[in-house]
Amino acid sequence: NAGVTQTPKFQVLKTGQSMTLQCAQDMNHEYMSWYRQDPGMGLRLIHYSVGAGITDQGEVPNGYNVSRSTTEDFPLRLLSAAPSQTSVYFCASSQGGRGGEKLFFGSGTQLSVL
Amino acid sequence: GENVEQHPSTLSVQEGDSAVIKCTYSDSASNYFPWYKQELGKRPQLIIDIRSNVGEKKDQRIAVTLNKTAKHFSLHITETQPEDSAVYFCAASNVDTGRRALTFGSGTRLQVQP
Repeated sequence: NAGVTQTPKFQVLKTGQSMTLQCAQDMNHEYMSWYRQDPGMGLRLIHYSVGAGITDQGEVPNGYNVSRSTTEDFPLRLLSAAPSQTSVYFCASSQGGRGGEKLFFGSGTQLSVL
Repeated sequence: GENVEQHPSTLSVQEGDSAVIKCTYSDSASNYFPWYKQELGKRPQLIIDIRSNVGEKKDQRIAVTLNKTAKHFSLHITETQPEDSAVYFCAASNVDTGRRALTFGSGTRLQVQP
């Protein structure tokens, strides 16, 4: 049982490049989400999904796309990277239900946009 | 939307002393309040949570208190140890909406001096 797996761990992009951050969980969790962590700003929600085929925007969705074609996978796409997207990105999942469950985080992706 | 403010941003205590971290939230409908601990270079992990129908919850050396009227909640760590050194995040959400979107505070860096 691997939990939440994120790849890559580190990535350097040039402004304007696109890329996909991968996230997979093997716990059959309904809920999956992406956060970005910036110094002094805590964890801010980018997008989330409450089940396959369902996604919604969080607090800072601009510049990011997501899709949820399977229960296990929730990739985050940067369409045209900007220096403001330099951050540490965490994927997190939790069990189904009405909410208020423990979030399981991946190990994070450190992204630098030059 | 929900706004969570967390204080202090940094906290240094001597080993064996107590530490208190405070958070305030803006949305009176929020009813779930977890605390996450993030050690240096690691992923955030849930350490304790409280729901709005409970005023206090304890788990060994950590406790959380909630004041719904004032819209604030606090994390108390007693008999601090060097391994308590980490960044602590509070968060709030309304589990009844089905969005299950946690709003995090900006974090408190706790340093326990041996």
